[in-house]
Amino acid sequence: DTEVTQTPKHLVMGMTNKKSLKCEQHMGHRAMYWYKQKAKKPPELMFVYSYEKLSINESVPSRFSPECPNSSLLNLHLHALQPEDSALYLCASSQAPSGPYEQYFGPGTRLTVT
Amino acid sequence: AQKVTQAQTEISVVEKEDVTLDCVYETRDTTYYLFWYKQPPSGELVFLIRRNSFDEQNEISGRYSWNFQKSTSSFNFTITASQVVDSAVYFCALSEGASGGSYIPTFGRGTSLIVHP
Repeated sequence: DTEVTQTPKHLVMGMTNKKSLKCEQHMGHRAMYWYKQKAKKPPELMFVYSYEKLSINESVPSRFSPECPNSSLLNLHLHALQPEDSALYLCASSQAPSGPYEQYFGPGTRLTVT
Repeated sequence: AQKVTQAQTEISVVEKEDVTLDCVYETRDTTYYLFWYKQPPSGELVFLIRRNSFDEQNEISGRYSWNFQKSTSSFNFTITASQVVDSAVYFCALSEGASGGSYIPTFGRGTSLIVHP
């Protein structure tokens, strides 16, 4: 099973809302990632979890708060977002963090902030 | 610093044509890894291939083939007899970490391939 699942597929939220994005993988991967992707741009790394610990935070604003409850799950908590945060949010996993392993991506959550 | 250049922003072909997507990279490491990913309109990036810097052998997988040339720092991707289902954005990526880097891939800007019936 080489599948990464993400929920919800689409999300519309106001600037005062709190919502969460969820990601799950059952490949036994020990590295999980959040990316943000704007239209016609490559994915932009936000966070990396390595063995369930946050290892990389690419200077992401605190209105984005990641969480890794266990080795299969990754959440991204959203609060007080801005319209410019509207984007496709992709979750990915790879076998291990410290190695040139390919990443497996979920289908993404298309977020619109109104 | 590592860098990946995909100079072709968009390519439009008619079904059954062959098409080559270019990827040029820059790195100071002697050990590095190159990837191609496909992103169809559904949004999910799909891993296609990984190649390490010590293996310059070209690879063929069905209608897909990859040409890795260290002399020109290129890792080009050819689709033979293109099909409408090949329409997607294709990303080339570079990963390095042997010299203490993190192996986090650097993505090129992507090439949008449109295959017309």
